[in-house]
Amino acid sequence: KAGVTQTPRYLIKTRGQQVTLSCSPISGHRSVSWYQQTPGQGLQFLFEYFSETQRNKGNFPGRFSGRQFSNSRSEMNVSTLELGDSALYLCASSIRTSGGYNEQFFGPGTRLTVL
Amino acid sequence: QQQVKQSPQSLIVQKGGISIINCAYENTAFDYFPWYQQFPGKGPALLIAIRPDVSEKKEGRFTISFNKSAKQFSLHIMDSQPGDSATYFCAASMMAGNQFYFGTGTSLTVIP
Repeated sequence: KAGVTQTPRYLIKTRGQQVTLSCSPISGHRSVSWYQQTPGQGLQFLFEYFSETQRNKGNFPGRFSGRQFSNSRSEMNVSTLELGDSALYLCASSIRTSGGYNEQFFGPGTRLTVL
Repeated sequence: QQQVKQSPQSLIVQKGGISIINCAYENTAFDYFPWYQQFPGKGPALLIAIRPDVSEKKEGRFTISFNKSAKQFSLHIMDSQPGDSATYFCAASMMAGNQFYFGTGTSLTVIP
């Protein structure tokens, strides 16, 4: 089974621009979560989507948004980019196991650099 | 507020030694505790996970020890190898939800 894929892998943008990142989950996984990873803050949860609905949201400003499509693919958008948005953005898909808990699998990430 | 606290921030171990990474949590509603391994340029990969109804889980050279009363859990890597050099993250979540809370990571270096 193919893993989580993310495109593009690398992006360079300038302050004030907007960016859209894409994530394709593992086949059969309906939940997609997004994280921001920076050296100082570690992995910070952005939001989670399940069946096209946002189920959970982290403590990020409204410039960060996302959506999920009917095929479970997800996109996240960051508007009015700031220098501090430079980070590795990770997408994770998850599935509920027979034991009742959610196993989460990560993609390789999109490295965003804001100049 | 950091829901999962991880230590140490970095760790250097000799080849063949034991690497120990510790995590602590506050929310007693957490009931699933995975560990992830991340190599440079890659996303985190699920390594091993434990539920609070067991005190220890072992998979190969990797063991999770869980102390429910102390709200702590740790990862032990036995016979550490240079290929184990990576960043390790502990995490916690609740069965009822799907939000994972991560520790800040431990950079492990195993020297030959």
